Amino acid sequence: EAGVAQSPRYKIIEKRQSVAFWCNPISGHATLYWYQQILGQGPKLLIQFQNNGVVDDSQLPKDRFSAERLKGVDSTLKIQPAKLEDSAVYLCASSFGTGEHQPQHFGDGTRLSIL
Amino acid sequence: GESVGLHLPTLSVQEGDNSIINCAYSNSASDYFIWYKQESGKGPQFIIDIRSNMDKRQGQRVTVLLNKTVKHLSLQIAATQPGDSAVYFCAENFYGQGGKLIFGQGTELSVKP
Repeated sequence: EAGVAQSPRYKIIEKRQSVAFWCNPISGHATLYWYQQILGQGPKLLIQFQNNGVVDDSQLPKDRFSAERLKGVDSTLKIQPAKLEDSAVYLCASSFGTGEHQPQHFGDGTRLSIL
Repeated sequence: GESVGLHLPTLSVQEGDNSIINCAYSNSASDYFIWYKQESGKGPQFIIDIRSNMDKRQGQRVTVLLNKTVKHLSLQIAATQPGDSAVYFCAENFYGQGGKLIFGQGTELSVKP
């Protein structure tokens, strides 16, 4: 079974520029998550989708971050404009069904550096 | 508020010894827990999970123990190998949160040959 695919693996941009990340979840997984992982910390949920609907975006800084999952499969996460504190690894995860009491399977993330 | 914490930020063991990684959680409503292993440059890898109606669950070389009375869980790794060197996270979820996981800071396990 193919895992969660993410691209790009690395991205370096200057502050105030925009950036986008892409995620393809495990086939058949209805629930998709985006997490932010700052160096030395555990991942923090940014947004959760079930199919193409948003379940939880309470921790997403909506003034600069946006995400979509238009066809209920792939997803993109965008930051515009980027700030220095956005330097982190952005992880995508997926799970079967609603995600309740289900293990989440992670991709290897995109490492974002803001200059 | 909700939080998941780890008692020890680093743990160093000899190859072949058993390892125990601890985790405390503060939300008594949490009813599902997962242990993840994260190697450098990789995403978290699922190891084992446990629901609150259990107090012990075993996998291949790993055992998770859950003590709801003191809100504590642990991950035991038998016969630790160099390939077990990584950062280990516990994460919690409770029903009604839509699958949202709350992660602790992590414990770095270093295995000496």
